[in-house]
Amino acid sequence: QSVLTQPPSVSAAPGQKVTISCSGSSSNIGNNYVSWYQQLPGTAPKLLIYENNKRPSGIPDRFSGSKSGTSATLGITGLQTGDEADYYCGTWDSSLSAGKVFGGGTKLTVL
Amino acid sequence: QLQLQESGPGLVKPSETLSLTCTVSGGSISSSSYYWGWIRQPPGKGLEWIGSIYYSGSTYYNPSLKSRVTISVDTSKNQFSLKLSSVTAADTAVYYCARDTISAFDIWGQGTMVTVSS
Repeated sequence: QSVLTQPPSVSAAPGQKVTISCSGSSSNIGNNYVSWYQQLPGTAPKLLIYENNKRPSGIPDRFSGSKSGTSATLGITGLQTGDEADYYCGTWDSSLSAGKVFGGGTKLTVL
Repeated sequence: QLQLQESGPGLVKPSETLSLTCTVSGGSISSSSYYWGWIRQPPGKGLEWIGSIYYSGSTYYNPSLKSRVTISVDTSKNQFSLKLSSVTAADTAVYYCARDTISAFDIWGQGTMVTVSS
């Protein structure tokens, strides 16, 4: 069971907007940067967002990240069928079991 | 551009040691800006960070795996390696190596499937 909570699945129609939440605590999201990863079927994860809201070179501005308190959100606008994938949030957890942690992942279905 | 490639046995027997190597190409593993990490993903499940290493050899590990994990680096070969001892079926997973910027894993290898079975 992950220390970061994500909804198991979300869905939306092509062209629409979707948000994926990642809920944590003061020992992780509340005091550390959040990153987001996209994992297309059968492939390795790919970094989408780092340091809460920054996009690596080559990531379209349809993808955005935000953080408020102990929660973070990934937003995707102008949904495309190619966005259908699993999405993971990640951060550092500074509790007694300190280390890097990931959310359980959210399956995005583009209807 | 920087690329990472995992290599190692795809089948390991229970109680034995899993050994994998990640070869970095297109850049130096000795960059002062990065750590180098291992992450795994059991079939149909989420991501689990195993540990990370700096080119100097400094490491930090997932506390839940720390007693069984050793990560080492060979700067002359531009490689870093993972050893996981006393494996069980629960260690069956796709194992990824990745560049660790501290705030994120920004470049990933393609992953290698390791099955623990007799």
